Amino acid sequence: AQTVTQSQPEMSVQEAETVTLSCTYDTSESDYYLFWYKQPPSRQMILVIRQEAYKQQNATENRFSVNFQKAAKSFSLKISDSQLGDAAMYFCAYRSGTTDSWGKFQFGAGTQVVVTP
Amino acid sequence: NAGVTQTPKFRILKIGQSMTLQCAQDMNHNYMYWYRQDPGMGLKLIYYSVGAGITDKGEVPNGYNVSRSTTEDFPLRLELAAPSQTSVYFCASSYPSGTYTFGSGTRLTVV
Repeated sequence: AQTVTQSQPEMSVQEAETVTLSCTYDTSESDYYLFWYKQPPSRQMILVIRQEAYKQQNATENRFSVNFQKAAKSFSLKISDSQLGDAAMYFCAYRSGTTDSWGKFQFGAGTQVVVTP
Repeated sequence: NAGVTQTPKFRILKIGQSMTLQCAQDMNHNYMYWYRQDPGMGLKLIYYSVGAGITDKGEVPNGYNVSRSTTEDFPLRLELAAPSQTSVYFCASSYPSGTYTFGSGTRLTVV
């Protein structure tokens, strides 16, 4: 079974600065997808970014970018120019690309991002 | 608005009571899922369904039941509530190769 590890329970960043959240995963598969989800106090789960394992290029969405190191099984999220609205819990998630996995996700325990003015 | 609708948003149950958490999606997604999120933890899969009439257990199914009579609806049943079931419950749906769309969650407290 795949496991997803987020080793940082909490990260603090000042507005306009950059913070990087780490995520490692364990899998023997070659076809899979990785995600970062944001959960603000409203509890809503919001997709931040998605990475396909077969793509070498790192995904980017505005101020959010990832550093995907397939051999090292590492998938870190960088938040640039941090804003107060970025304060939330961030979850790393893994989904197998095999059809018999039925789209199930494996989530990490989360990293709380605190943004200070 | 298209999406996943969960009801209720909050509920307090007494030990031994039963309830059904409702989940409906209007995106014609085949796949639907129920997760629970305990404080300070990630989401764990309770049950999932890959189509009407097809359901299967996830990582933490004990104490729960599901049914999927239509593509749109995927209710989660708690038969004998226990304090260990105090959690936030999320329903999600997707296409087979797609990204999840989550509901807004149900906060359940069992006292």
